Amino acid sequence: SAVISQKPSRDICQRGTSLTIQCQVDSQVTMMFWYRQQPGQSLTLIATANQGSEATYESGFVIDKFPISRPNLTFSTLTVSNMSPEDSSIYLCSGGTSGSNTQYFGPGTRLTVL
Amino acid sequence: AQTVTQSQPEMSVQEAETVTLSCTYDTSENNYYLFWYKQPPSRQMILVIRQEAYKQQNATENRFSVNFQKAAKSFSLKISDSQLGDTAMYFCALRETSGSRLTFGEGTQLTVNP
Repeated sequence: SAVISQKPSRDICQRGTSLTIQCQVDSQVTMMFWYRQQPGQSLTLIATANQGSEATYESGFVIDKFPISRPNLTFSTLTVSNMSPEDSSIYLCSGGTSGSNTQYFGPGTRLTVL
Repeated sequence: AQTVTQSQPEMSVQEAETVTLSCTYDTSENNYYLFWYKQPPSRQMILVIRQEAYKQQNATENRFSVNFQKAAKSFSLKISDSQLGDTAMYFCALRETSGSRLTFGEGTQLTVNP
């Protein structure tokens, strides 16, 4: 299994600003993912973070709003840009290897936008 | 497209009793993986149990077991000897072997009463 940490654990931000969330894995993983969980709802995949190349975004999510970096096999960042109250959610990263069928999750970042 | 459905938004059970959470899914592939994740109030997503579709034997992890009915596309979770710490949101998830993305159900909020 992989142990995943995220920073910050929570933040309160003003509309129009940006927040960068960091995700660190304790071992090399082939795949890293970013999810959004809106209040009282399930998880929705934002994008797959690809090492050394542009992330692959799901329908409804765009790079300008959610730029993602993945400089190596153990680290990724997600930026929530030009935030509005509708961006208030929990953001979770997950990781897994191509040989494993399981994704392990970080503890999540609770974002509140005022 | 793959879909996962959990038709029970909320369930409750008395401590030490047994409870079953339902999940149905749809996929056009023959090979895939199914998971149950638990999300307590701490919001950490914790893997409870996983099942490979090519295995006929139902997976078991201590007090947790599944009833996997491939023809019916059903994947229920049974929790035996329920404990107060089992109180959480439970998500059923599907991953097709041809891809890496997880698709989640809507979740079932389980409350274990003393």
